[in-house]
Amino acid sequence: EAQVTQNPRYLITVTGKKLTVTCSQNMNHEYMSWYRQDPGLGLRQIYYSMNVEVTDKGDVPEGYKVSRKEKRNFPLILESPSPNQTSLYFCASSWGLGSDLNYGYTFGSGTRLTVV
Amino acid sequence: DAKTTQPPSMDCAEGRAANLPCNHSTISGNEYVYWYRQIHSQGPQYIIHGLKNNETNEMASLIITEDRKSSTLILPHATLRDTAVYYCIVSPRRDDKIIFGKGTRLHILP
Repeated sequence: EAQVTQNPRYLITVTGKKLTVTCSQNMNHEYMSWYRQDPGLGLRQIYYSMNVEVTDKGDVPEGYKVSRKEKRNFPLILESPSPNQTSLYFCASSWGLGSDLNYGYTFGSGTRLTVV
Repeated sequence: DAKTTQPPSMDCAEGRAANLPCNHSTISGNEYVYWYRQIHSQGPQYIIHGLKNNETNEMASLIITEDRKSSTLILPHATLRDTAVYYCIVSPRRDDKIIFGKGTRLHILP
């Protein structure tokens, strides 16, 4: 089944303890992206990657890092999490620029992160 | 900022057609209209997209006005499982940055 898989689904952590949220897609998509969703603020893009080894900042990149060493994986790294990063996070992928197969994003099921 | 305007909420009776409007008066010639929905706190789900012609797939129909300044997503026979927030987005097909607005919260009434 074509899908984007995020892990973990739920995570409670303490301030300052480094964590990684994994994202993997099995559709050979070139483009991957991370969003966070907060009440009243909607979905906001954190980082995106147009291909392997190519990443760029979205609208709210502060406090986050990403890497794209392989096409299928796009982990989100919080080096020193803070309570304002408590949120619902979504990973997404698509065929990407220049592709006539761009029929929209496929989203993962989400990761609910709580930082205390 | 999102380039679309949608009503914040709508109701529809189960079994009837749900018609969700979207205004995108500043749409450019190369921009497509995309629709997604988000059920509760699940990941958004792609529904349909179009440029200027009306489109239909197994989930919905998309009607775009001739001047392309507005569109309507039609769910032909709404069920309780269609209760969700529906997002209308305009974006160039080859631009991977999409901006989600607040969407329309659709309530399907039994």
